[in-house]
Amino acid sequence: GAGVSQSPSNKVTEKGKDVELRCDPISGHTALYWYRQSLGQGLEFLIYFQGNSAPDKSGLPSDRFSAERTGGSVSTLTIQRTQQEDSAVYLCASSSWGGANTGELFFGEGSRLTVL
Amino acid sequence: AQSVTQLGSHVSVSEGALVLLRCNYSSSVPPYLFWYVQYPNQGLQLLLKYTSAATLVKGINGFEAEFKKSETSFHLTKPSAHMSDAAEYFCAVSNFGNEKLTFGTGTRLTIIP
Repeated sequence: GAGVSQSPSNKVTEKGKDVELRCDPISGHTALYWYRQSLGQGLEFLIYFQGNSAPDKSGLPSDRFSAERTGGSVSTLTIQRTQQEDSAVYLCASSSWGGANTGELFFGEGSRLTVL
Repeated sequence: AQSVTQLGSHVSVSEGALVLLRCNYSSSVPPYLFWYVQYPNQGLQLLLKYTSAATLVKGINGFEAEFKKSETSFHLTKPSAHMSDAAEYFCAVSNFGNEKLTFGTGTRLTIIP
């Protein structure tokens, strides 16, 4: 597709269940980001992938959160044993960093997670 | 470490009035600064950016921002607000060699008819 695609767009789950959120970045973009958007909290950085380098996981809030990026393209964010405080919109972005493209992240429309 | 502070989580202006959204940054090295906009039910998109060239940068839809090192600020302005400007605006910072953008908490702009 032309843009960043995320699925599911909405997910309601019960506390304690595992969830997987998927991101399909723009073709050719080497960098992929996950952010979390909570009401009044802005955008919280979670994890960043760049090419074949080790990902920057410094923003993952706990060991219940993990992410992988297969073949340098699609990424999956997994939240294990979900808690109510995990409820948020999870945003994925991709970019082709460098030169004129510096700082231009292309965002998907997000996956809204509600934990009951 | 780098961070941005956006003053005012909600700003309301009348249609045709000046829009001023404030952003102050903290960075131990020369920063790159960005404004992103999120329209209702849409993803974020880049509005404008400063990456160490001209200090006054122009973006889409008539917005502009000025990098002021002495004030550590990067405020967003538009001379005349339009109803279509109603959205949430995010300031963000990174720097050369660091591709991780740190975002502020956002400012929701409401336009009064």
